[in-house]
Amino acid sequence: SQKIEQNSEALNIQEGKTATLTCNYTNYSPAYLQWYRQDPGRGPVFLLLIRENEKEKRKERLKVTFDTTLKQSLFHITASQPADSATYLCALDPFSGGYNKLIFGAGTRLAVHP
Amino acid sequence: EAGVAQSPRYKIIEKRQSVAFWCNPISGHATLYWYQQILGQGPKLLIQFQNNGVVDDSQLPKDRFSAERLKGVDSTLKIQPAKLEDSAVYLCASSDNSGNTIYFGEGSWLTVV
Repeated sequence: SQKIEQNSEALNIQEGKTATLTCNYTNYSPAYLQWYRQDPGRGPVFLLLIRENEKEKRKERLKVTFDTTLKQSLFHITASQPADSATYLCALDPFSGGYNKLIFGAGTRLAVHP
Repeated sequence: EAGVAQSPRYKIIEKRQSVAFWCNPISGHATLYWYQQILGQGPKLLIQFQNNGVVDDSQLPKDRFSAERLKGVDSTLKIQPAKLEDSAVYLCASSDNSGNTIYFGEGSWLTVV
């Protein structure tokens, strides 16, 4: 069956360290993968998109990798800050039906402690 | 630029009652989505519109949920009759023709008691 898996346990790290979140998928061949941030009581906010022919993408303190062989994406936040505490969702487009469609993982909650 | 607007933000109803949620997407966005997010889970796509036509409603429980997007702009999502398991946040989102980035509203929180 098709699955998108993210660590269900919260990730607790110390301020200043690098946070690494994992997204694994099964039985999809996505053309691209996205990461979103969701704060409590708010809608998800787009952070980064990485395409299947890109190995790595960076934006300020954020870095995303995409390994289509391992069927895995890693999301890194360097020099983490308490303000980075949120739930991070990965999403992919299964590229079916001729239209863009996003399927989301359950998300991983990140807590950055001062 | 105004974001995706949703209302109401919060709604509490009894089971078997009906409820409607309204969404106004970002101006010019052709694609509109309704997602359901149950606590602790990721958003699940219920229905996707391209202009005023439905492109995907495969996960919409059509016996109780309905949605429309008249004139290709605003949209309403209705639940009738509601069940306890419909308690969730209903997220509306929109995207432009590239469809690569989805912009979400703040969501409508539904509690069915």
